[in-house]
Amino acid sequence: DGGITQSPKYLFRKEGQNVTLSCEQNLNHDAMYWYRQDPGQGLRLIYYSQIVNDFQKGDIAEGYSVSREKKESFPLTVTSAQKNPTAFYLCASRGQGLNEQYFGPGTRLTVT
Amino acid sequence: SQQGEEDPQALSIQEGENATMNCSYKTSINNLQWYRQNSGRGLVHLILIRSNEREKHSGRLRVTLDTSKKSSSLLITASRAADTASYFCATDPYSGGSNYKLTFGKGTLLTVNP
Repeated sequence: DGGITQSPKYLFRKEGQNVTLSCEQNLNHDAMYWYRQDPGQGLRLIYYSQIVNDFQKGDIAEGYSVSREKKESFPLTVTSAQKNPTAFYLCASRGQGLNEQYFGPGTRLTVT
Repeated sequence: SQQGEEDPQALSIQEGENATMNCSYKTSINNLQWYRQNSGRGLVHLILIRSNEREKHSGRLRVTLDTSKKSSSLLITASRAADTASYFCATDPYSGGSNYKLTFGKGTLLTVNP
């Protein structure tokens, strides 16, 4: 079964703690993306990576960090510097030569 | 930055009716895409229209693009209760390069009543 997996589906953390969200794909896609979605809002780009060991900041990168050590994996760390971390986080990937993005099921992070 | 803006924000119709959603954007684009999101789930790609195309069909979906007005519309014909979801337009801006970033609008929440 090809696709993108995100884990866990729900995540709860205390304020001040860093937390890492997992994103794995077995589609052999080069590019991967992290988005944040707030209630009733569209998607905002946090970070993206077009190739292993390279990534770029999106529109709202402050308070987040990523790594891309393997083609299949693009974990996102939400740090304590992120002022409003509670949100729905979506990971996506895109294959070379393709325009559309394939999305994972999302992780809902709640920080209290 | 929000490139695409959908209109209306919410739309409620009866099963069997057609649903039309609109998207406006600001800058030149390579293509425009429509995605669907069921509540609490990831997005699913529906259809892509390139900047040199004016209309495209896929099953019950019809997309139009007017680059002079920087707008697109998504028509869902003969709607079903299962079409209830949020629909987003996403623009692939022309940048002269290949950064392949999409910019999403805030979406239209479509409710199809049985």
